[in-house]
Amino acid sequence: QQQVKQSPQSLIVQKGGIPIINCAYENTAFDYFPWYQQFPGKGPALLIAIRPDVSEKKEGRFTISFNKSAKQFSLHIMDSQPGDSATYFCAARMNYGGSQGNLIFGKGTKLSVKP
Amino acid sequence: DAGITQSPRYKITETGRQVTLMCHQTWSHSYMFWYRQDLGHGLRLIYYSAAADITDKGEVPDGYVVSRSKTENFPLTLESATRSQTSVYFCASKDVSNQPQHFGDGTRLSIL
Repeated sequence: QQQVKQSPQSLIVQKGGIPIINCAYENTAFDYFPWYQQFPGKGPALLIAIRPDVSEKKEGRFTISFNKSAKQFSLHIMDSQPGDSATYFCAARMNYGGSQGNLIFGKGTKLSVKP
Repeated sequence: DAGITQSPRYKITETGRQVTLMCHQTWSHSYMFWYRQDLGHGLRLIYYSAAADITDKGEVPDGYVVSRSKTENFPLTLESATRSQTSVYFCASKDVSNQPQHFGDGTRLSIL
């Protein structure tokens, strides 16, 4: 119940394409859903985040779509660029008990954007 | 510069040895975390701390020990390293509970 399932494991798109990464969860106690971007040799960095009372959030070329009834959320990258090549992690934040504020991460998606 | 720093960045050691990974943050954040990152597993929480002298287990705590005597430091110790602990270790911190976590650049640990 505390898992966050992420797909696909890897993704290759051409420059300008719109890669979509999907995540699903079971626990309705999650109250915050961030996406992290990680470049090789670096730590994950917060990219964009959404709360479950919002169905969509855009920041620049990055959009999160959130479907509360289906317990699914996804990341879309518009007009993708080679510089977007990285590993992307979705996460969900627990908001109960002593673990308040802890994140459960998906297993990651390695995105490669070809020039 | 302000931020979160991990040391060493790379470490090679042998099974059975004790090794300590260091994490230091300059923001005075209350919360600190240790994760390990392995192919096919993503990021898994080892231990976390809500404040100095307060620590708690995460998803995969076995074989690890933490302490937090000062707010800015959160060392992770492998008391008797095993090959299965070969991984990339990330430290993170955040201010109050509803703020995002900020990650260090990791320590790549190899246990031979």
